[in-house]
Amino acid sequence: EVQLVESGGGLVQPGGSLRLSCAASGFTFSSYWMHWVRQAPGKGLVWVSRINSDGSSTIYADSVKGRFTISRDDAKNTLYLQMNSLRAEDTAVYYCARGSVAGPGWFDPWGQGTLVTVSS
Amino acid sequence: SYELTQPPSVSVSPGQTASITCSGDKLGNKYACWYQQKPGQSPVLVIYQDTKRPSGIPERFSGSNSGNTATLTISGTQAMDEADYYCQAWDSNTACVFGTGTKVTVL
Repeated sequence: EVQLVESGGGLVQPGGSLRLSCAASGFTFSSYWMHWVRQAPGKGLVWVSRINSDGSSTIYADSVKGRFTISRDDAKNTLYLQMNSLRAEDTAVYYCARGSVAGPGWFDPWGQGTLVTVSS
Repeated sequence: SYELTQPPSVSVSPGQTASITCSGDKLGNKYACWYQQKPGQSPVLVIYQDTKRPSGIPERFSGSNSGNTATLTISGTQAMDEADYYCQAWDSNTACVFGTGTKVTVL
């Protein structure tokens, strides 16, 4: 069974940092592009970042560029999101999602999400 | 920046057809996909590459995409289809965009 399990969320003060992890299983992790998507409470889905299959290419939404870093460890089948200089508006459930084997595409499946709350 | 606009809500009677639109500039030149999200749950892909259904998605879900509008159609809508639905497309392959979301209510 293809599964994605996020962890690392929690309460952090404005200006602080947090690292999210997404453990993948049930598929050849190293073959797939991976994504982070977030959803603020009661709001819609917002794409955050993407990394290609070999980790050589990353892209970010303008709202997080320069503050967030996506990375992957294929030996551990794990995707990461390092979040620095956090702001109140970064408060959201963060989902990891499997992308395609090449190029932009759809997201399937999604993890269960991890909640990040930025507040003093 | 590229935007995808959906109606905030759609109401449908059980057994009837629900149509959810997603509008964006020249959206028909891009691939659109659709996600279903029930309260407290993660999104689930229901349509990809405009018209394709993933394994396990019922045949009552179908999609189309032409001009500036992509459409998700739920035929013979059931109570279990009550959820939020989001369209998604890529802008120049470098920025993923989600639609504003549509709440489907089965009355």
